[in-house]
Amino acid sequence: AQTVTQSQPEMSVQEAETVTLSCTYDTSENNYYLFWYKQPPSRQMILVIRQEAYKQQNATENRFSVNFQKAAKSFSLKISDSQLGDTAMYFCAFARSSNTGKLIFGQGTTLQVKP
Amino acid sequence: GAGVSQSPRYKVAKRGQDVALRCDPISGHVSLFWYQQALGQGPEFLTYFQNEAQLDKSGLPSDRFFAERPEGSVSTLKIQRTQQEDSAVYLCASSLGRRRGYEQFFGPGTRLTVL
Repeated sequence: AQTVTQSQPEMSVQEAETVTLSCTYDTSENNYYLFWYKQPPSRQMILVIRQEAYKQQNATENRFSVNFQKAAKSFSLKISDSQLGDTAMYFCAFARSSNTGKLIFGQGTTLQVKP
Repeated sequence: GAGVSQSPRYKVAKRGQDVALRCDPISGHVSLFWYQQALGQGPEFLTYFQNEAQLDKSGLPSDRFFAERPEGSVSTLKIQRTQQEDSAVYLCASSLGRRRGYEQFFGPGTRLTVL
């Protein structure tokens, strides 16, 4: 069975600074997808960034980038130039590529961006 | 519609009552998922539909939980004889599956409180 672990329940960062959220996972699969989802206080979950395991290049989306270490089963999210609107709960998630796409989520990290 | 919608947004039920939660996915999305999110935790998978077929219901916690999607669009999650431990936010998500890298679009959720 796959598991996803986020070891940082809460983090804070000053506006305009950079923060990194950690995520590790366990799987015996070779092909899979990893995701970071953001859940603001209004609760609607939105996708931040996606990584396909067979791609060695780390995904980037504007201020968001990942450090994907397949051998170490690590998938961290870096947020550059943090903005107040980045305040949210962030979830790391895993999906097998040979399956339905159902997501297995970590416990989440609450990120507070301070002015 | 532009996104996934869910109704009601909030539901209070007395222990033992039956409840029905509705999900309207994005038009054309074949895949539909239900997740249960306890307070401060990551969502946990309940069940998956591909069109009208329920292909995975491995996450349903008991036989009191039942989901359907009779015409391959709107889905309903029904909980019979609600218990206090059923209190959670129930999230619905839809997806184009592998075609879009398994990206899931989430609704705002229904917060169920069982008294």
